[in-house]
Parts: sequence; C-alpha cells; structure tokens
Amino acid sequence: GAGVSQSPRYKVAKRGQDVALRCDPISGHVSLFWYQQALGQGPEFLTYFQNEAQLDKSGLPSDRFFAERPEGSVSTLKIQRTQQEDSAVYLCASSPPEERGGNNEQFFGPGTRLTVL
Amino acid sequence: DAKTTQPTSMDCAEGRAANLPCNHSTISGNEYVYWYRQIHSQGPQYIIHGLKNNETNEMASLIITEDRKSSTLILPHATLRDTAVYYCIVRVSGNTGKLIFGQGTTLQVKP
Repeated sequence: GAGVSQSPRYKVAKRGQDVALRCDPISGHVSLFWYQQALGQGPEFLTYFQNEAQLDKSGLPSDRFFAERPEGSVSTLKIQRTQQEDSAVYLCASSPPEERGGNNEQFFGPGTRLTVL
Repeated sequence: DAKTTQPTSMDCAEGRAANLPCNHSTISGNEYVYWYRQIHSQGPQYIIHGLKNNETNEMASLIITEDRKSSTLILPHATLRDTAVYYCIVRVSGNTGKLIFGQGTTLQVKP
C-alpha cells in the first residue's frame, strides 16, 4: 500500500521567502509528526498532531515555523521568511492508533530537502 | 526519555552478522528500546523494539541485558543494502510521543 508521501522532494528558496511543505500520511493514521534533519545529524522533533489537534509544538525553532492539519489527514509545514539555517531535510511521519505492547511504529516519508540561498 | 550511547561507526563484512551495541543505563522500567535505521536519502525505518525480553523479527534480533542497561541489535546476515545509520531510541510506550534520535551508528557493510 501507499506509504507516507511528501512534496516537493526538493525546494530551493531565497532567503526571506515563505515555503510550504506538504505531508500525506498513511490513510487511517491518527498521529502525525514533523522532524527536521540537519546535514550529518539525526532527526529532531518539531511538532505532533493527533487528528487535527496539534498537541505538541515544543520543537518548532521559532515563530516563523507553523504547522497545520485542518482535516486530520494532510499536513502542511510552513516556514516564513526563510533563513539559511532553515536548510535541512524535513521529515514527516505518521502512526496508527496505539496498540497494546508498545508497538507505536512511526512510518516516515522520504523527506523534503530545503535549501535556502 | 532516557539517553542512549552508540558507537559512531562500525564495519561489517557482507554475509556476516552485524552486532550493534547501545547503552541506556538510565532506562526506566516502563521504557521500551526501539531501533530505527536510515538508509541514505531515505526517511528512517522501524526495525524492532522490546521491553525486557529478547525479540526477533524478519529483519533483526534484539538482545536486551537482564538489567536493561544495554542492548544489541543483530543483523544475522548483513548485506550491502543494510549499510545505513542505525538509531537506538528509548521511550515510553504510546504513539503520542516524539522519537528522540541521537547520532546513531553508521554501519558500513563491505563486500
């Protein structure tokens, strides 16, 4: 079946431009996560949705970062007035309803590579 | 969530077993050990998880010490396609929490 998809796969922006990154989670997955991965580093958590509710946004680095999931499926990560330090791969992951036994596997998309010039 | 420590890099010969260690000495009783891997230019992929018993699936085996302060991920017959960064993550059960990735171990499988 279809996995998590993200678009665009690559995005080049000039400093100061706004960008919007899209995530299509696996159908039926209630949980959705965004991560940021700088070159050579492990992914870092940005924000989490359960259905349409944004329950944790503690990882968003500044108020220029905004995420939404208005209908509880597709999510968009928006970055306003992009800076060079925003250059990274942005990963989206989704997870089905929790199962007993602790198996809450997160399924990751391929990521969007953002380059800010 | 408890912190984990992994070697930065490891090599393994193709066809041999790859044993990737992880230290998690501050793990709590309700925290699970998860392993993910990330092949170049792809998103992370779940491998296996466990609480205190050893676990095995079609991808790997997970050996957790009796005191739960360390674990080892075993790829029984490594192939070139297993070359990736392997992340050991300790966290409480539930899908409401984020994954905290460290630097991971870069495994290079060589022919």
